[in-house]
Amino acid sequence: SAVISQKPSRDICQRGTSLTIQCQVDSQVTMMFWYRQQPGQSLTLIATANQGSEATYESGFVIDKFPISRPNLTFSTLTVSNMSPEDSSIYLCSAADSNQPQHFGDGTRLSIL
Amino acid sequence: GQQLNQSPQSMFIQEGEDVSMNCTSSSIFNTWLWYKQDPGEGPVLLIALYKAGELTSNGRLTAQFGITRKDSFLNISASIPSDVGIYFCAGPKDNYGQNFVFGPGTRLSVLP
Repeated sequence: SAVISQKPSRDICQRGTSLTIQCQVDSQVTMMFWYRQQPGQSLTLIATANQGSEATYESGFVIDKFPISRPNLTFSTLTVSNMSPEDSSIYLCSAADSNQPQHFGDGTRLSIL
Repeated sequence: GQQLNQSPQSMFIQEGEDVSMNCTSSSIFNTWLWYKQDPGEGPVLLIALYKAGELTSNGRLTAQFGITRKDSFLNISASIPSDVGIYFCAGPKDNYGQNFVFGPGTRLSVLP
């Protein structure tokens, strides 16, 4: 299965700032996704990162708050914009090929002061 | 949309005991996935199920795709300390895409 690397692994940020999280896959994949996992909770899908077009966002998530890029088949970024303490979470990237299960990176642990 | 429930929410067992947990859905699924998440890490895929009634093993883990297609079970035999973690089931948000919805998880603690 693909190896997925996320950077940074953790960060502490000031409210009102923005942070961009990078996700690198060691092979070309069809699908890439971004999830949020709030403390003690399950995973919630933020959006599907589409290569060459705008990401597809789930209900409750908007592009202005979580802009996503996917310039090629191995790389994606998620930006958390204008952060507030409620954005403190683990942000996870996953990747999958068609009809294959998703595999996850180790996540980015984000704390906002 | 689809909702998944997992039971139990948490469990404490003695090392060497067998473990059973399940996942139920409000709608029919054509795929069930089981993941385990260790502290500080991302979820790791344990078992994938694609057919009603399918029984699949991965070492000491066995998972079954329920006949009704609305449930799945995960069993762990002879538990060891490294089995500690959170176990998530996941099913497709729709039956043709790759978007998955995750259950709330079962938190497993193994006592020596």
